[in-house]
Amino acid sequence: SYELTQPPSVSVSPGQTINITCSGEKLGQKYSSWYQQRPGQAPIVLIYQDTQRPSGVPKRFSASVSGNTATLTIAGAQAADEADYYCQTWASNSGVFGPGTWVTVL
Amino acid sequence: QVQLQESGPGLVKPSETLSLTCTVSGDSISSVAYYWNWVRQPPGKGLEWIGYISYSGTTYYSPSLKSRITISTDMSNNQVSLRLNSVTAADTAVYYCARGGGGVVIFFDTWGQGALVTVSS
Repeated sequence: SYELTQPPSVSVSPGQTINITCSGEKLGQKYSSWYQQRPGQAPIVLIYQDTQRPSGVPKRFSASVSGNTATLTIAGAQAADEADYYCQTWASNSGVFGPGTWVTVL
Repeated sequence: QVQLQESGPGLVKPSETLSLTCTVSGDSISSVAYYWNWVRQPPGKGLEWIGYISYSGTTYYSPSLKSRITISTDMSNNQVSLRLNSVTAADTAVYYCARGGGGVVIFFDTWGQGALVTVSS
């Protein structure tokens, strides 16, 4: 079955830039999405179709894809960005989520 | 604005069937190009896609759960249902209903608040 790999955790200081990677076989040939999930809340979409940001998502959230790796970038980290971040793609008509990355803003 | 609300028993006995309903408001589940998904999250763990039913009634299920799942719709009540049979403790999770849209590729643009289902005798 298809798998996505993410770092378990990332720590940054306020104001710094956060980069979260998501790797998978031929991921660059698929479309990926990114979701933020704060503790006790449902996920929300940050990025879809590799780089597209839904209306209402701040511009400091962006994403890119290169080769087999998708990267979510959060500029100017804030305390409110402390959350789990999941990448997601589709493989053989099945949804696949990455294991998630917990972001700590110290 | 579309809203999704999951409902169903919070406690299910092992070997029995888990049944959940997602009531959709603000949109019709027959709206073209939308896909109605179920996603679950065991306590302290990550998200797992369960399956979806499309606006046209096509279903796709996770290969790991396919033999135990049924996703269906009730158009008259604008609801999407999930049935998972032969449950075990490993099926204990928060179950989310999520609308999938996007055109080029499905992404989950709206989520319900989730329903915790515990499998225990």
